[in-house]
Amino acid sequence: QKEVEQNSGPLSVPEGAIASLNCTYSDRGSQSFFWYRQYSGKSPELIMFIYSNGDKEDGRFTAQLNKASQYVSLLIRDSQPSDSATYLCAVTYGNAGNMLTFGGGTRLMVKP
Amino acid sequence: NAGVTQTPKFQVLKTGQSMTLQCAQDMNHNSMYWYRQDPGMGLRLIYYSASEGTTDKGEVPNGYNVSRLNKREFSLRLESAAPSQTSVYFCASSESRNYGYTFGSGTRLTVV
Repeated sequence: QKEVEQNSGPLSVPEGAIASLNCTYSDRGSQSFFWYRQYSGKSPELIMFIYSNGDKEDGRFTAQLNKASQYVSLLIRDSQPSDSATYLCAVTYGNAGNMLTFGGGTRLMVKP
Repeated sequence: NAGVTQTPKFQVLKTGQSMTLQCAQDMNHNSMYWYRQDPGMGLRLIYYSASEGTTDKGEVPNGYNVSRLNKREFSLRLESAAPSQTSVYFCASSESRNYGYTFGSGTRLTVV
């Protein structure tokens, strides 16, 4: 059973702070890792993806991957109230069909 | 460029009724997926189609059938709706393992 675990939150941070969202996965065969943002009542939208150990930065977002620890995280710098959403971690195992297994999501609240 | 289009956006069914959820993508993606999203359960894969002409079961296929009509279209059918199928349904498509999914806007289905 391939599992992806996230703390459901809510994670509350003040505006301007760094928000740190974490995700663990069960299968060492995992190949690609994705972070999606989902606003209430909307569909998930892709924020970042990472394949290799280390950090990947895109604007205010940094994804961090540690395959040895089976751990992936998302850092949001200078958090804004508009970042308030549920963040979904997803993992693919490179199988035919490229299926993603999603975590349950972490709800982030950024307070002005 | 519309991306992934789902219809309808909302639907109320009576127990035992049937319906088909439609999904079409205009990005020339090979793979398409149907997920359901329930509170506390995250996104769960119902069926997927790795390429035109193929379909496979996901994590929660019972009570559903799918058709990959052509490369663009992937429909989900509920033959005899049950209250347990009350959920938000998302269709998604993918080019390859390296690019994650593009999601449709979702169908909110209530079975009474």
